[in-house]
Amino acid sequence: GAVVSQHPSRVICKSGTSVKIECRSLDFQATTMFWYRQFPKQSLMLMATSNEGSKATYEQGVEKDKFLINHASLTLSTLTVTSAHPEDSSFYICSVQGAHEQYFGPGTRLTVT
Amino acid sequence: AQKITQTQPGMFVQEKEAVTLDCTYDTSDQSYGLFWYKQPSSGEMIFLIYQGSYDEQNATEGRYSLNFQKARKSANLVISASQLGDSAMYFCAMREGSFSSGSARQLTFGSGTQLTVLP
Repeated sequence: GAVVSQHPSRVICKSGTSVKIECRSLDFQATTMFWYRQFPKQSLMLMATSNEGSKATYEQGVEKDKFLINHASLTLSTLTVTSAHPEDSSFYICSVQGAHEQYFGPGTRLTVT
Repeated sequence: AQKITQTQPGMFVQEKEAVTLDCTYDTSDQSYGLFWYKQPSSGEMIFLIYQGSYDEQNATEGRYSLNFQKARKSANLVISASQLGDSAMYFCAMREGSFSSGSARQLTFGSGTQLTVLP
């Protein structure tokens, strides 16, 4: 069964609105979760590392005020895309590290119109 | 410098034949892990195979095997007896540091290879 879930799987929003994406670790507690972004026909790029109970660590070039991350519990991290614009349209995917493997959520396809 | 390099943007293989997808990596860490993932058009990342830097034998998982050549820093994926359902994007990825260190580390991905299996 799934180890990591994401919700929603697909969302369409209007430019200027905010969208929240949830990532849940189903099988174990995760003090760290990773958020990746994938543009069409490109690879996965790490956006940020979400740390339970503390601030997220953002990769260079990722605006922390635009991509708000909250990791309030050991099983849930949320990514909020604030004031979304069409260029934020992408596939957002989270991952959790297991004992010997990285588990990925099914991803969220965001389309900003 | 690129940490993970996949030089084949696209590959074609005839059904039932074997295919090798290339991956080279660059790290100064002694302890690291190499992964291969399959990504169909649905977008989900499907874990295929893992090779640890200290593993002496090449990893195998069913029809998948990893040709690990440490000195050359290559970790090629071999898919035997290709099936139509193998058509997808394939990503090579690396995690630097040991799993046993207790700290979570992100994966760095290559640019991917789009594999098409021909009937």
